[in-house]
Amino acid sequence: DQQVKQNSPSLSVQEGRISILNCDYTNSMFDYFLWYKKYPAEGPTFLISISSIKDKNEDGRFTVFLNKSAKHLSLHIVPSQPGDSAVYFCAASVTGNQFYFGTGTSLTVIP
Amino acid sequence: IAGITQAPTSQILAAGRRMTLRCTQDMRHNAMYWYRQDLGLGLRLIHYSNTAGTTGKGEVPDGYSVSRANTDDFPLTLASAVPSQTSVYFCASSLLGERGEQFFGPGTRLTVL
Repeated sequence: DQQVKQNSPSLSVQEGRISILNCDYTNSMFDYFLWYKKYPAEGPTFLISISSIKDKNEDGRFTVFLNKSAKHLSLHIVPSQPGDSAVYFCAASVTGNQFYFGTGTSLTVIP
Repeated sequence: IAGITQAPTSQILAAGRRMTLRCTQDMRHNAMYWYRQDLGLGLRLIHYSNTAGTTGKGEVPDGYSVSRANTDDFPLTLASAVPSQTSVYFCASSLLGERGEQFFGPGTRLTVL
């Protein structure tokens, strides 16, 4: 049973606009969350993380929001750029080492 | 070597054959992991190792085995491959205890016929 879900397999956004990628989880014990970005034929690369003691973490154009009561996190990219086109995975962990990944959302930023 | 390397890049394998996917890291990370990526299922943990000499089972360990003889290497073996093991396999490493990222290799695309 999938403990981390990304219900939107794909998303298209105009360049310069905001991209919002969503992730839901079922295990209330998860206390650490990450977003990874993956280009074709490459391994995932770390993008941004958030601990459950926070509800927001920002790094440049990327912001992750965590809503523990809703068991929901989201990644905001603003402004979106064509180079952001990739598959984005969210991941969650209880121990901080064994992560459960979502199914991924393919983002296309249209120039 | 810089980071994590995996070999081979891709492989086509007959069902029933034995196959070992190789993974090497030079970051002195104590923890290493093997994932498989399948369409619609995301990345699923197969096996992990928190330190040399120890291994553990992930979400989908059946049909796979691992060993961790030293810090740098973490091979994944399919003793008798089956078509359902057709997938892209990623090796990753991290510093155990760090609430941070796992670093991923470039992946091995395996097709079992």
